[in-house]
Amino acid sequence: EVQLLESGGGLVQPGGSLRLSCAASGFTFSSYAMSWVRQAPGKEPEWVSAISDSGGSTYYADSVKGRFTISRDKSKNTLYLQMNSLRAEDTAVYYCAKASQGGRPYYFDYWGQGTLVTVSS
Amino acid sequence: EIVLTQSPGTLSLSPGERATLSCRASQSVSSSYLAWYQQKPGQAPRLLIYGASSRATGIPDRFSGSESGTDFTLTISRLEPEDFAVYYCQHYGSSRTFGQGTKVEIK
Repeated sequence: EVQLLESGGGLVQPGGSLRLSCAASGFTFSSYAMSWVRQAPGKEPEWVSAISDSGGSTYYADSVKGRFTISRDKSKNTLYLQMNSLRAEDTAVYYCAKASQGGRPYYFDYWGQGTLVTVSS
Repeated sequence: EIVLTQSPGTLSLSPGERATLSCRASQSVSSSYLAWYQQKPGQAPRLLIYGASSRATGIPDRFSGSESGTDFTLTISRLEPEDFAVYYCQHYGSSRTFGQGTKVEIK
């Protein structure tokens, strides 16, 4: 059974940093691309970042480019999102999502339960 | 960037009725890279349909997807109580955009 378990969310002040983690199990982690998708309250999901199966390619939404860094550790079957220079508009539930295959194009066939990030003073 | 417009915003129906949800793309969507997700309050989205018309694993056959040019449709043939939720379409080709959602509520 595929399981994705996010952690690391919380309350942070504007300009602060946070690192999200997503522990994956139930599939061959190194064979699939992975993404972070966020959802602000009452809004549609918004894709944030993606990383290829090998970790050699990373992609970012314009809204987070230069501030967020995605990475993965295949020895730990874990996906990360380092978030710096956080803004109020980054407030959302952040989901870890498994891609349907190793490279594009892919849809998201499994999602974690999400972790809430609140940026506020 | 492809913009997806879903309609209606809210659909009020009774259990057993048929639901028809629309998702219109602002430009041609390559090779039908269109997915549908269901989301219930407090839960993550769940994949229903990919490739515009293929059901994901474990999805009941009352859910079906179709396409006509830049118009995509999700049909729920007979609503069950557990189907009342918000539904999102997503393009996963050149962009990864989501539509704004359609809420299916109990009438």
